[in-house]
Amino acid sequence: AQSVTQPDIHITVSEGASLELRCNYSYGATPYLFWYVQSPGQGLQLLLKYFSGDTLVQGIKGFEAEFKRSQSSFNLRKPSVHWSDAAEYFCAVGKNSGGSNYKLTFGKGTLLTVNP
Amino acid sequence: DAGVIQSPRHEVTEMGQEVTLRCKPISGHNSLFWYRQTMMRGLELLIYFNNNVPIDDSGMPEDRFSAKMPNASFSTLKIQPSEPRDSAVYFCASSQDRKDTQYFGPGTRLTVL
Repeated sequence: AQSVTQPDIHITVSEGASLELRCNYSYGATPYLFWYVQSPGQGLQLLLKYFSGDTLVQGIKGFEAEFKRSQSSFNLRKPSVHWSDAAEYFCAVGKNSGGSNYKLTFGKGTLLTVNP
Repeated sequence: DAGVIQSPRHEVTEMGQEVTLRCKPISGHNSLFWYRQTMMRGLELLIYFNNNVPIDDSGMPEDRFSAKMPNASFSTLKIQPSEPRDSAVYFCASSQDRKDTQYFGPGTRLTVL
């Protein structure tokens, strides 16, 4: 079964600083990978996704993520954080084949606080 | 286009009462998912429908939970009777096909007293 680990429960950065949120997955083949963001009281919004091809994926709001098969990682990055980026971020992994290829497994999330 | 619509946004009820959560998926999407989010367990898939048919209900916690999808534009998740441990945020999501990107609704925050 696939699994996702987000090692950092809570990260605090200053506005304008760079950001990297870590995500490690466990899956026997090439997975589908996603990053979602959840603002307080809101649903999950897709930031970016990796299905195949270029391992550096660009998303909305200036975010990017890089799929590294050798490290089983899909870390999310942003060069300069804005106060509005404060939210909880979820990494998710899905199967790209097989009978249960609809199933997403989510990490426990990383809460991002942005200091002015 | 309207996103996934859920109602109510908040529900407070007493233990033992029946609770019905509603979801309208994005038009044209044939896959619908119900999730539950708690602090302890994170996001868990409860049930998955494809073309209105339940495909995987292995995440439904117990018989008190049931879900239906009578047509392509409407689904319900019912809890009867409700218990305090059912308190959580329940999300509905839809996708164009089973392994496509899932789009989430705003969620229903359920509190069972």
